Formats: sequence, C-alpha cells, structure tokens
Amino acid sequence: DAKTTQPTSMDCAEGRAANLPCNHSTISGNEYVYWYRQIHSQGPQYIIHGLKNNETNEMASLIITEDRKSSTLILPHATLRDTAVYYCIVRVPLIQGAQKLVFGQGTRLTINP
Amino acid sequence: DAGVIQSPRHEVTEMGQEVTLRCKPISGHDYLFWYRQTMMRGLELLIYFNNNVPIDDSGMPEDRFSAKMPNASFSTLKIQPSEPRDSAVYFCASSWTGASPLHFGNGTRLTVT
Repeated sequence: DAKTTQPTSMDCAEGRAANLPCNHSTISGNEYVYWYRQIHSQGPQYIIHGLKNNETNEMASLIITEDRKSSTLILPHATLRDTAVYYCIVRVPLIQGAQKLVFGQGTRLTINP
Repeated sequence: DAGVIQSPRHEVTEMGQEVTLRCKPISGHDYLFWYRQTMMRGLELLIYFNNNVPIDDSGMPEDRFSAKMPNASFSTLKIQPSEPRDSAVYFCASSWTGASPLHFGNGTRLTVT
C-alpha cells in the first residue's frame, strides 16, 4: 500500500491561498490520490481526488506532479471555517472495487484572522 | 438529503455492558463502512458492507465486536461486553459505488468507564 507523508501542522492567513503538500513516492500507476478534511467534532468530509491530471472543484484544486510522487491541495481563499485536519490518502484497491481509505495523521491547518 | 445519520451522538456506559451503535446511510448508497477514531491510532476501518453483505471485517478488533446490516437503510455495530479501551469515536460512512467518495456521519462518541 502506498503511504503518504504530510506536515504535521500548517498556518495560513485568512483570505490567502493555503497550499497543503503530500508526498506519496511509492504510489502505483492505478492508485488515486484523495483528500479529505475533518473539522473538529465532525466526520471526515470529502474534498477532491485525482489520478494524474490536475483537478478543480468548488472547494479546492489538486495539483499532482508529473511523476505522481507528490501532490498539493490548494484552498484558494482560506476562511476561518477551513481550519481542520486535512488527510491525503492513496486509495487501496480492494475486492469488489470498494475503496479502502487508510487515514494517516494528516495536516492540522489553522487559518488565522 | 439528510446525509449519513448516526445515533446516539454520545454514549456512556459501564464496563461489561452491551453497546449498540446505529447508522442510517444515504439512500441509494450501496456501500457502508464503519470506522473508529482514537488519538493513538487515528481513523481505522473496522468493516464494510456491499449491498448489505459484509465484505471485509479484518479490521474488527476482536469477537466482542459485531456488525449487521439487515437492510439497505440500517446498520448496527455492537460491542458485547464493552471495555474501557473501546472508548473512541465511531463513524459510519456510505458511498454510492466502490469508487465514489465516502460520506461520513458525525459519529458516536463512546465512553466506557
């Protein structure tokens, strides 16, 4: 199973772009990169995922390097409500196609006013 | 869409008692997952179901834990007898397909004294 490495914590000023890095140097060719976040006292929330192309949705952008060994989640205009633990996960394929998400320790992102 | 609904939100019980956690997945989702979160071990997958059938229960810690899904709209996780080390937040999640993002409930915080 490909493992991920993320910084333990990061700070970002409100209104600025928050760039969260993730290393996954052992990722396989058919494994996707997923990002989830967990706001205090809530369940994890899906943000975005990608295979090798950059992806963007209403919440964030995902930039994956050409060699796929690392990625960056970008929150373009961070707000106080974006304070959370952010998890970078490589999907482990399972029988019957269900994704087994293995959560690491994540990055604790604090948005400062 | 009300999302994944878990009950109760909080459960406090004494060692040796039976505990039953409940989950209602999002309507139409074919996959249901039970996770446990502790400070020491983070988020761990316990078991998941596909079309009400348990597929992988390798994460269930021991025989004291059991999970059922009698129909597509309801699942239970039972601990009998409970022990203090079972104290954790238990999350239920569902997904439309095996490759779709997971939608998590807000969890049940279990305290066993």
